[in-house]
This record gives sequence, structure tokens and C-alpha cells, in this order.
Amino acid sequence: GQQVMQIPQYQHVQEGEDFTTYCNSSTTLSNIQWYKQRPGGHPVFLIQLVKSGEVKKQKRLTFQFGEAKKNSSLHITATQTTDVGTYFCAGLLTGGGNKLTFGTGTQLKVEL
Amino acid sequence: DAGVTQSPTHLIKTRGQHVTLRCSPISGHKSVSWYQQVLGQGPQFIFQYYEKEERGRGNFPDRFSARQFPNYSSELNVNALLLGDSALYLCASSLSGGPREQFFGPGTRLTVL
Repeated sequence: GQQVMQIPQYQHVQEGEDFTTYCNSSTTLSNIQWYKQRPGGHPVFLIQLVKSGEVKKQKRLTFQFGEAKKNSSLHITATQTTDVGTYFCAGLLTGGGNKLTFGTGTQLKVEL
Repeated sequence: DAGVTQSPTHLIKTRGQHVTLRCSPISGHKSVSWYQQVLGQGPQFIFQYYEKEERGRGNFPDRFSARQFPNYSSELNVNALLLGDSALYLCASSLSGGPREQFFGPGTRLTVL
């Protein structure tokens, strides 16, 4: 079955440092979504990428979708304590409706 | 506007029992999906319903079933509970059945003893 892996599993950074999480799928995706889940909370949608090679920015967050549509990345510039949480990528297979396959997640901790 | 609501918030059951979890989507949303999230892992897709029809099913045993009502609310039923069914059950709604942003509810924490 389809697998979506993320690295690293955990990341501790000092406030102000940059952070990147990488997402890799075993199969080609029609699109990919990113979610953030705060401790004790539920996933919150961040963005959806559809096109091969697409890059989108949201303030300090930059999202990329690979040329082969099998990988993606999320980069946070100058992390803040409010960035703490687990970041999940979630892939959609072509013709798969809204069946999201979530990645393993990257837990980010930001220290002052 | 109210977000996705789920009930109950927490539930404790014993092995062999059955459970019904409920979800009310955001007003106007016609698609509801159910996910199981075990501690420390990403959510795993269980079902998607759109316009009261099943649109997708994940790799879960037949003990898991769901349905969607005319008002687009949904129920997830799990029979013959196992210890391994202990998890956070998340409901997510979206406007349509296609690949769109999903809005998650707070979840139901199920503990099976």
C-alpha cells in the first residue's frame, strides 16, 4: 500500500533558527496537503499543492511540491515558540477522492 | 460559524463492546471523513462519505462501519472492540467529495480496557 514517510521524526531548535521537514511518498500523488497539529489538538489545514514543482509561501512558511510529485517539503524561517507542534504532510492519490494518506509527522519543539 | 463537532469527547469501553461516535460537519459541508489516530502517529483514513454515499474506505476490518444522514452528520460504529482500537477518532468535513481542505473536529478519545 501507499506509504508516506517524513523526516526527521523530531526536531528541537532554538527560537530564530530555521526548520525543514521532508515528505516522501512511495507513489505519485495528485496533490499534497500540509497540516499542523498542536499538542492535545487536532490537525489544522495549512496548504494544498497541486502542480509539479509548485512553491507556495505563507509568511515564514515555504512549501514545495517535487517535480515528480512524490515528495514535498515545508520550511519555516526564523522559528517562533508558536510554531511548536507536529507537522503532517498528507497525500492524495490520483482518482482517490478525498482519501488522505498522512505522513508519519515531524514533531517540532522550539526552545527560547 | 461553528466548526466540526464530535461527541462524546472521551469514552471508556471494555473489550468486546461496541461504540458509536458522532460527528456534525460545518454547515454547508457535504463530505465527512473519519480517521483513527494512535498516539504518536499520523491519522489513518477509515471512511469518507459524500452525499450519504461511501466514497472511500481505508484498510480497517469490517468491525468498523459508518453512515451519513440526510443532514450530513455522520456516525462511526465499531463492534467487538479490541485493545488496539484505543485511539483518537477524528472526523473531518469538507465542501465536496474531491481533494479539498479538510476541517477536523476535536476528536473522540476512545480507551478500550
